[in-house]
Amino acid sequence: NAGVTQTPKFRVLKTGQSMTLLCAQDMNHEYMYWYRQDPGMGLRLIHYSVGEGTTAKGEVPDGYNVSRLKKQNFLLGLESAAPSQTSVYFCASSTTRTGHQPQHFGDGTRLSIL
Amino acid sequence: DQQVKQNSPSLSVQEGRISILNCDYTNSMFDYFLWYKKYPAEGPTFLISISSIKDKNEDGRFTVFLNKSAKHLSLHIVPSQPGDSAVYFCAASGTLADGLTFGKGTHLIIQP
Repeated sequence: NAGVTQTPKFRVLKTGQSMTLLCAQDMNHEYMYWYRQDPGMGLRLIHYSVGEGTTAKGEVPDGYNVSRLKKQNFLLGLESAAPSQTSVYFCASSTTRTGHQPQHFGDGTRLSIL
Repeated sequence: DQQVKQNSPSLSVQEGRISILNCDYTNSMFDYFLWYKKYPAEGPTFLISISSIKDKNEDGRFTVFLNKSAKHLSLHIVPSQPGDSAVYFCAASGTLADGLTFGKGTHLIIQP
């Protein structure tokens, strides 16, 4: 029962480095989302996708890029990491665009930028 | 400005008693509300939801109440069990927006 799988689980980067976070879902969901969670905060939407080949900006998109080349994968990229991007990143997928069907979340990627 | 507010960062309840978690929202366009439960080092898991056309939804020990006029919802857990100790997030969505808007969460601690 894989559901939503995020890799890596942990990563430490230096300021200015780049990296890509991978999200894979095996539920054939059309919609996928990237959120970040900071201490004492709720999850905030970074980018999302409503289908293969599509992406759109969420609430906090600056400093990130995304790609959805395959329906099951949603990649989040940091081109030049900054300490303000230290956070826990969650990927989610859903069958609907709104909350009328629940989103299924991965277990997160904990990212530290030094 | 926060559109979904959970004003209690933490709540301590005795095992077997009722836990009541509260959530307020400001955006009138929200039409669906969800509660998620989160354990440390895991992703949020869906618990229960309610549509804006209803005022109550029940699932086993969990009941969510919605007061649209007050823009307030609450999650009741009866009876509370040790495994209920977790962070609970209130989330909202609207037909004109994508994704979910989350509150900051309430850390529920069930004491034996």
